Order: sequence, then C-alpha cells, then structure tokens
Amino acid sequence: NAGVMQNPRHLVRRRGQEARLRCSPMKGHSHVYWYRQLPEEGLKFMVYLQKENIIDESGMPKERFSAEFPKEGPSILRIQQVVRGDSAAYFCASSPQAGRHHEQYFGPGTRLTVT
Amino acid sequence: TQLLEQSPQFLSIQEGENLTVYCNSSSVFSSLQWYRQEPGEGPVLLVTVVTGGEVKKLKRLTFQFGDARKDSSLHITAAQPGDTGLYLCAGLYAGGTSYGKLTFGQGTILTVHP
Repeated sequence: NAGVMQNPRHLVRRRGQEARLRCSPMKGHSHVYWYRQLPEEGLKFMVYLQKENIIDESGMPKERFSAEFPKEGPSILRIQQVVRGDSAAYFCASSPQAGRHHEQYFGPGTRLTVT
Repeated sequence: TQLLEQSPQFLSIQEGENLTVYCNSSSVFSSLQWYRQEPGEGPVLLVTVVTGGEVKKLKRLTFQFGDARKDSSLHITAAQPGDTGLYLCAGLYAGGTSYGKLTFGQGTILTVHP
C-alpha cells in the first residue's frame, strides 16, 4: 500500500530556471494539496486540487507558481524563474474523498535549493 | 486569517517524564489533527479529533479537543527517547469555504534524553 510519492526528493536550480515538482497521491485518493515549509517557519497551504480542477489556490503566489492535477498522471507544482526565496521544502498531501479533508496524508517532500 | 498558536516551541525533558503540548486559537475548527515530523521527512498523521470535548488515546499519547473546538492538547506519559521529534497541530477552519486548507501551528520540537 504505497503512500504519497514525491519526486525528486532534492532539486537544485539556479536563479531563473524552472522547477517542476511531482506528486502521486495514495491509491484511491482524488484530492491533492500542496504545502510549503520555509526554513524556521511552519507549513503553509498553497493549493488544493481535484482531478483536472483547481479548487483553492489562495495560498499560491500570484506570479511564477502554477499547479495542475491532470486526469492521468501525477500532480505537478511548477515554479518558473526561481529565486533564492523559493528555497524550501514542498510537501504534497492527498485525501480520499470529499468530506474527508481532515485525513490528509503527506509525502516525504521535495527540498528545493535555489543557488 | 486563522492562526494556531502552539506551545511550547521547544521542550527538553528526561526519559520517563510527562509532558503536554498545547494548540490554541480564537477561531473554531471543524477538526484538529496532530502530526509528527522527522527531519527530512513529511508529517505523519497521528490522530484527528472532530467533536468538541473528544479525547483519543494512542498508547502513551492522549489527545484532547476543547469543548468549543478552539484548542487542543497532546499529552505524553512516560516519555521515551523514541518520542523525540517535531510535533505539529493542524486544523480545518470551520468558517471557511476552502474545505481542504489545513492551518498549521509552528510546531513543538521535543527532545527526550535517556
């Protein structure tokens, strides 16, 4: 029973490059959430997606960040033209169905370092 | 903005001692979750409480949800070195329209010395 999978686990990008973070939810889960954990800060919500739909992106920076959860394949968090301040751990979580948002199971995270 | 104030931020105790971590807010939450996070890993869900006044036990860990659903506590009895880690509370705000947005506390770093 595989858990939430994220890849890569570590990603190094130079300023101005693009970062693509992938998340495969647990089997049977159709809801995906992305959170960011900055150094010395707690986890902050970024976006909530269902298959092919963005439900809530209120925590997503307005520029350079985008997320998708296609019908087939993993959810992708994309950061364009990365800056040093984007360096953080990015976590994906999934839950089984509507009404069970409190059951969010987290992946191991992707640690992004911008040099 | 809904905030969860978690305290204490750091806790260093000896093996065998008891401890309590608190999570407080002025907002009402539909549910409160407690997670544990190891360095370099993602948070692992320990428990969810959804009913005001609810108490749940997980071996030596006791979780309580306040009657008004604004606060929660985690109590560990006879702590062991294996309990060392970062403990996070998180909640789903009852009044919002985003049903999936977890609000996290700042976390408590627990160190249990042998």
